[in-house]
Amino acid sequence: AQSVSQHNHHVILSEAASLELGCNYSYGGTVNLFWYVQYPGQHLQLLLKYFSGDPLVKGIKGFEAEFIKSKFSFNLRKPSVQWSDTAEYFCAVNVRNTDKLIFGTGTRLQVFP
Amino acid sequence: DVKVTQSSRYLVKRTGEKVFLECVQDMDHENMFWYRQDPGLGLRLIYFSYDVKMKEKGDIPEGYSVSREKKERFSLILESASTNQTSMYLCASSYNQGGTEAFFGQGTRLTVV
Repeated sequence: AQSVSQHNHHVILSEAASLELGCNYSYGGTVNLFWYVQYPGQHLQLLLKYFSGDPLVKGIKGFEAEFIKSKFSFNLRKPSVQWSDTAEYFCAVNVRNTDKLIFGTGTRLQVFP
Repeated sequence: DVKVTQSSRYLVKRTGEKVFLECVQDMDHENMFWYRQDPGLGLRLIYFSYDVKMKEKGDIPEGYSVSREKKERFSLILESASTNQTSMYLCASSYNQGGTEAFFGQGTRLTVV
């Protein structure tokens, strides 16, 4: 079945630690890839996206993600997290030429000062 | 600023009631989506619409229906609410260009008692 998998359900880090959140998808066609973030009490907002071109994409607040086509992965990274990065992070996939946008199960990140 | 507005932040309904959740967007987006968000399950697509009066089932359409009579408005209907439909419901919209950013509303937390 087509799906989006986020293997880390809950990640706890200290400030300044490095972050990598995994995302894998199982769609066979060409895809557009997204990471969304949901800060406590706020609506989901876009962190970064990949449509084509350079597989390393940079987003807001120092986040970046790398698309590795051979691994069907789009992992999110940040070299040094801050307390304000505490949030839930969702990977999402849109199969090209469709309008469906499918999300993973989310990763809850807690950053302690 | 793009605005996706959901009519209620919190709703409490009784089992068996017919429930309407309303969503309005002001960006002339073709696509509109309804998701439910549950802890550990992420966002699951209930229905989406790519044009007025057009709809497609998502991954969990059972027990729900939708209506899109005008481009800016997308309604989710629970025909006969049940306790297992207690959840956070999120509406989103996007342009119909295969993978542009989706914008989300604040969500409606529905409790069915």
